[in-house]
Amino acid sequence: DAGVTQSPTHLIKTRGQQVTLRCSPISGHKSVSWYQQVLGQGPQFIFQYYEKEERGRGNFPDRFSARQFPNYSSELNVNALLLGDSALYLCASSADPLTSGGPGGSGNTIYFGEGSWLTVV
Amino acid sequence: AQKVTQAQTEISVVEKEDVTLDCVYETRDTTYYLFWYKQPPSGELVFLIRRNSFDEQNEISGRYSWNFQKSTSSFNFTITASQVVDSAVYFCALSGRNSGYSTLTFGKGTMLLVSP
Repeated sequence: DAGVTQSPTHLIKTRGQQVTLRCSPISGHKSVSWYQQVLGQGPQFIFQYYEKEERGRGNFPDRFSARQFPNYSSELNVNALLLGDSALYLCASSADPLTSGGPGGSGNTIYFGEGSWLTVV
Repeated sequence: AQKVTQAQTEISVVEKEDVTLDCVYETRDTTYYLFWYKQPPSGELVFLIRRNSFDEQNEISGRYSWNFQKSTSSFNFTITASQVVDSAVYFCALSGRNSGYSTLTFGKGTMLLVSP
């Protein structure tokens, strides 16, 4: 079975440009999340989508946007790129978002893709 | 607010040594999940384990073992008889709830270097 796939693997953009990153979740998974990982840090949450709806958004500017398609794949868009946007962008896939159901609540494994390395020059 | 602290930035060991990676977390949630991921140079985060906050049993998987202690808010990871292939950055993460959805809060990671 294919894991989480992301494209492109590497890309270089110029300041002010726009970029679109793509993610295909594991078959059967309906939730996709995006994380940004800058060098030397842990990943930071950007967006979560479930069943094509935005479930949550991290502390990122409006230049960042995303969407999820009927086949559950997702795109992350970043406009007006800044040097500080240079990072590894990771897509995470899970069957359902972890819920607040208490002791009996559902929880499931979150799998990550290999990421898209974005360099802004 | 959720917080994960991995105090060890980098650890260097010689092959076959045992090594423990520390993880301390903070959360106000009563239900939460803890994760460990391995990140090789390629960048992919490889899932290692998920632990429910209500399950404090320690777990062993081959050379890997995890010690979850709720009383000290710690979820430490031990590699027994380390191998060169274990060299990677290891992240501890905590799932949190924010108005009906969950996210992962990661520590800054611990780079493990295993030399022959």
